[in-house]
This record gives sequence, C-alpha cells and structure tokens, in this order.
Amino acid sequence: NAGVTQTPKFQVLKTGQSMTLQCAQDMNHNSMYWYRQDPGMGLRLIYYSASEGTTDKGEVPNGYNVSRLNKREFSLRLESAAPSQTSVYFCASRPITGPGTEAFFGQGTRLTVV
Amino acid sequence: QKEVEQNSGPLSVPEGAIASLNCTYSDRVSQSFFWYRQYSGKSPELIMSIYSNGDKEDGRFTAQLNKASQYVSLLIRDSQPSDSATYLCAVIRFPNSGYALNFGKGTSLLVTP
Repeated sequence: NAGVTQTPKFQVLKTGQSMTLQCAQDMNHNSMYWYRQDPGMGLRLIYYSASEGTTDKGEVPNGYNVSRLNKREFSLRLESAAPSQTSVYFCASRPITGPGTEAFFGQGTRLTVV
Repeated sequence: QKEVEQNSGPLSVPEGAIASLNCTYSDRVSQSFFWYRQYSGKSPELIMSIYSNGDKEDGRFTAQLNKASQYVSLLIRDSQPSDSATYLCAVIRFPNSGYALNFGKGTSLLVTP
C-alpha cells in the first residue's frame, strides 16, 4: 500500500521555467492538499481540493495552479518559477471532507529555483 | 498572529527524562488537534490525535487538550535519542479550507544521551 506518492522527489528549475508536481493517493481519500515548507515558516497551505471536482486557494496560492484530475490525483503547477518558490512541497490527503481525521503526507518534493 | 503557536526551541532534555511540548491556538471554534513528528529531510508523521478535553495516552506519549485555555500539549516519557525531531502541532478549523490542517512552526526536540 503506497499511500501518498509524489513525483519528482527533487527538481532544479531555472527562473521562468514551468513544471508540474504530481501527487497520487491510493487510499480512496476525498480531500487532498498541497503545502510548502520553508525554514522558520512551517507548513503553509497552497491549494486544496475538499472533494473530487473542487479546488480552492489556501494561504499562499500566488504563482501556482492546481488540477484535481480524478479522486486519486492532485497536481500542482508552477507556470513561471521564481526563486521565492524554492521550497519543499508536500502533498497530503484526508479520508473525509470534515473534521476528525488526520492528514497523510507524501514524501515531499524538494524544489530549487535558480 | 499565526493561528497555531509553538516555541521553536530547541528543547533539550536528557535521555530518560520527560519532554513537554506546548501549543496554543487562536480560534475557539477549532476542532481536531494533532501532533506530528518530522525528522530532518522527511515528511510529517502522525503521533497523536485528540478531539476532546483531557488526556489521551498512547505508549510513551500523552496528549493533553484544554479547549477553554486553547492549549494542547504533548508529553514524551522516557525520552530516547530517537525522539530527536521537530514536533508539529496542527489544528483543524471549522469549516475553512476544506478542513485543512493548520500547522504551527514546530518545536525542535533534542534528546541527549
């Protein structure tokens, strides 16, 4: 049982390049989330998908777009990467659209924008 | 003001001692509280969840919740060097952000042999 799988694990981009971070979960979870983690800033919510077919902005959405491709997959796209987007990105999922259950995390993508 | 506050540490305790990690949150309507552990370069992993006032014990770990004081804590008994990590407090607010977990910045714990 793989849980939450993110690809790639590491990536170096040049300023202005675009890329898509992939996330897939095999636990039949309803809700999926993208976070970024920066030193001293903790985990901050970028975008979320409360259920299949819906997406919405979180705390720090600027410069990102998302797609909930189906119930399993939730991708994060950087259209024109900037050095400020250098970070570790985590995808997470939760079983239900409601309180009472924890989030399960992928292994993370370490992105460097030069 | 960030919604979830933690001391960044580092908190240093000797092996075998009790480590006490604290967290406060700002929104009284918060539900569902979690403690995650994160080793350097790894993803967060759940240690404890707590939903009602009082204590919840799981092995060497005890989570404590006081909703009136908006305070949640984690006690680690018989601390081991392998407990050295960053501990993240997380809170779910109702019903914002698809019930996403809001995280504190984390407390770094160092257990010295």
